[in-house]
Amino acid sequence: DAKTTQPNSMESNEEEPVHLPCNHSTISGTDYIHWYRQLPSQGPEYVIHGLTSNVNNRMASLAIAEDRKSSTLILHRATLRDAAVYYCTVIAASKLTFGTGTRLQVTL
Amino acid sequence: NAGVTQTPKFRVLKTGQSMTLLCAQDMNHEYMYWYRQDPGMGLRLIHYSVGEGTTAKGEVPDGYNVSRLKKQNFLLGLESAAPSQTSVYFCASSYPPRGRRAFFGQGTRLTVV
Repeated sequence: DAKTTQPNSMESNEEEPVHLPCNHSTISGTDYIHWYRQLPSQGPEYVIHGLTSNVNNRMASLAIAEDRKSSTLILHRATLRDAAVYYCTVIAASKLTFGTGTRLQVTL
Repeated sequence: NAGVTQTPKFRVLKTGQSMTLLCAQDMNHEYMYWYRQDPGMGLRLIHYSVGEGTTAKGEVPDGYNVSRLKKQNFLLGLESAAPSQTSVYFCASSYPPRGRRAFFGQGTRLTVV
């Protein structure tokens, strides 16, 4: 499975956009990129996923580089409720594995 | 619509005791997973299953056994608990995961003393 690299932590001001990067340089052509987040004391929850094209949903946007070796999760207006650990994962076949993620801190 | 339910939510075990954690899903998902999460760490895959009657090892399988006798249930067993198995355990389920989202339970907090 492709390995992902994310910054350990990031900070954002409330109401500002946040760009969370992820590197996955060993990704294969048919591997999907998924993002999950884990709020404090909760189980992980799905955020968004994509293959090649950029994706939007009500929670976030996913921008995928043309060579697919990196992607960026975009929260358009961060709120205090978005403070969480964000995990980027690349799914090749049947295993869903996670790295250490990025801890996002949102301040007033 | 319960989603993924884990039982129990909390448990304290003595070293050497055994126990079984139950994960139940009502979404007819083929794939199910067990993870452990140590304080301040990410999720590590213990075992997973791609269908009823099948199981496979994940990243940290030692000390755990699993069974998937029914499609909706995935059991995680600790035969002889050790303090190193103190952790929060999460279960998840999904259709074939490449293009589909996974759903997670709320976790089981296990302490081994």
